[in-house]
Amino acid sequence: AQSVTQPDIHITVSEGASLELRCNYSYGATPYLFWYVQSPGQGLQLLLKYFSGDTLVQGIKGFEAEFKRSQSSFNLRKPSVHWSDAAEYFCAVGPPGGGFKTIFGAGTRLFVKA
Amino acid sequence: SAVISQKPSRDICQRGTSLTIQCQVDSQVTMMFWYRQQPGQSLTLIATANQGSEATYESGFVIDKFPISRPNLTFSTLTVSNMSPEDSSIYLCSVPGPGAYEQYFGPGTRLTVT
Repeated sequence: AQSVTQPDIHITVSEGASLELRCNYSYGATPYLFWYVQSPGQGLQLLLKYFSGDTLVQGIKGFEAEFKRSQSSFNLRKPSVHWSDAAEYFCAVGPPGGGFKTIFGAGTRLFVKA
Repeated sequence: SAVISQKPSRDICQRGTSLTIQCQVDSQVTMMFWYRQQPGQSLTLIATANQGSEATYESGFVIDKFPISRPNLTFSTLTVSNMSPEDSSIYLCSVPGPGAYEQYFGPGTRLTVT
């Protein structure tokens, strides 16, 4: 069955520290991969996406993610976290070749301490 | 990017009643999507709403419980009928983004059923 796993329900990092949010997926083929961020009271915003090409993807707000086929992973990273990055982060997969049957992970809530 | 608004932003309803949620987009779109985000869980696609045709429901969701209207290319409504406490969730609408099957999301409607 197709699924997305975000093993960390919540993570706390200090401001200025580096961040890595984990995402693993189970799919028959390499799906389209997305990371979204949801700030309190707001809808989800796309941070970055991968569907082919360079496996290191740059996104908005200084985020990047690396696709590793051998590990079925798409981890999100940021070298230096800002207090405004506190939010919920969702990894998501879409069907290979496109389509909107997107499957979302359960989310990881990021807390940033001063 | 598309700007999406939802009404109401939140509501508290009694069991057995119905609530209609509105979703307005600032540009014309062919497809609109409705998601449910249950407490502490991921987003689940309820249905896809195309203008001029019946909505397409995902497994586990039925029209009698979640009737959807799509009267034009910028507006849709989702009704949650005969509500029970299990319907307490955040309901989000989304539309396709410009890229490879990404989505823009509305801010969500937080529904509590007592």
